[in-house]
Amino acid sequence: DGGITQSPKYLFRKEGQNVTLSCEQNLNHDAMYWYRQDPGQGLRLIYYSQIVNDFQKGDIAEGYSVSREKKESFPLTVTSAQKNPTAFYLCASTGTVNAEAFFGQGTRLTVV
Amino acid sequence: QKEVEQNSGPLSVPEGAIASLNCTYSDRGSQSFFWYRQYSGKSPELIMFIYSNGDKEDGRFTAQLNKASQYVSLLIRDSQPSDSATYLCAVRMADGLTFGKGTHLIIQP
Repeated sequence: DGGITQSPKYLFRKEGQNVTLSCEQNLNHDAMYWYRQDPGQGLRLIYYSQIVNDFQKGDIAEGYSVSREKKESFPLTVTSAQKNPTAFYLCASTGTVNAEAFFGQGTRLTVV
Repeated sequence: QKEVEQNSGPLSVPEGAIASLNCTYSDRGSQSFFWYRQYSGKSPELIMFIYSNGDKEDGRFTAQLNKASQYVSLLIRDSQPSDSATYLCAVRMADGLTFGKGTHLIIQP
């Protein structure tokens, strides 16, 4: 089955630690996105990538980093510079220009 | 700043009635519009997409687009308790999909 897989589903981070969230898709989509969602809020764009080896900052990129070495993979690292990382993180991908976004199941990150 | 605006609600609708969800957007050049449903703690799932002015119907759902007014809406007929969720409007802009904050819909049995 084609789709987007995010892992882990739940992640706990200690203060000052970097953590990496995985996002893999087998839909052959060119564009991939990372969104952050806080309780009762909409989706805010962190980073997006429209082709391999290229990515752009979204609205709230500070404290995050990404890479796009393969078309299928778009991992997100939450660095220690992100002071309030507790949130629900969603990865998405799109195919053609007007196509809808397909979402992974999300990763819930909590700082302990 | 390119924005997508939605009334956050909650919007309370009796079971069997029509629920009307609205969305406005700021980028006049936008061409693609999407409605997603999100249950608490889950990822969004696509309900409808619309590219052209007018109405598009799919079962109990109708999406309406008016590009001149920069307005898109979603109607849900014969509302069911299972329709209770947050509905996100999304607009494709030059740098990807921009989402509204969502409208929380409650269907009262």
